[in-house]
Amino acid sequence: DSGVTQTPKHLITATGQRVTLRCSPRSGDLSVYWYQQSLDQGLQFLIQYYNGEERAKGNILERFSAQQFPDLHSELNLSSLELGDSALYFCASSVVVGEELASTDTQYFGPGTRLTVL
Amino acid sequence: ILNVEQSPQSLHVQEGDSTNFTCSFPSSNFYALHWYRWETAKSPEALFVMTLNGDEKKKGRISATLNTKEGYSYLYIKGSQPEDSATYLCAFGYNQGGKLIFGQGTELSVKP
Repeated sequence: DSGVTQTPKHLITATGQRVTLRCSPRSGDLSVYWYQQSLDQGLQFLIQYYNGEERAKGNILERFSAQQFPDLHSELNLSSLELGDSALYFCASSVVVGEELASTDTQYFGPGTRLTVL
Repeated sequence: ILNVEQSPQSLHVQEGDSTNFTCSFPSSNFYALHWYRWETAKSPEALFVMTLNGDEKKKGRISATLNTKEGYSYLYIKGSQPEDSATYLCAFGYNQGGKLIFGQGTELSVKP
């Protein structure tokens, strides 16, 4: 158990709908990362938040957005869902001792949310 | 486009065999190389973070080496056990931020 929690574990919804995935980082971790794992692709970085602010962005679609709240939990919002959005969504967290060295911090992954869009 | 390649894609070995796999990454703008172990139905678990050229890390029967000048890292497992069966991922950190580029992974299957 990494100490990172994600809810829900599974989510089944229809095309066009909107969903929210939630992540609570490990106690003391300031940085949260979101990743997408689709069938034929490796883990794809979506977005990183550090202490409430967006820090880095990957190939995140405009239909997707995220935020990190004052208590450091994060939510990933996916809207106008398409069949291709079906994937495993992971959240990870890290301490980020020095913000400038975030690449060297171990990222601890949560159990993931499996999203199925029908 | 930054690319991280892992080989082989999959590996089947017998219990007791030693094995190794490769992670290739761009040799410029290197900040860190991460190794993760990902068991089916679980989340990726951090094995090592390597930052210096020539770095060697060890955790039990698993070890890793790093060559940043030529852009590769090797992961070795000595005396593989069935519980080592998992997908091993490497991830490249290329700048100051926390963004990591993951490889597709090497799927290891160890038969008793």
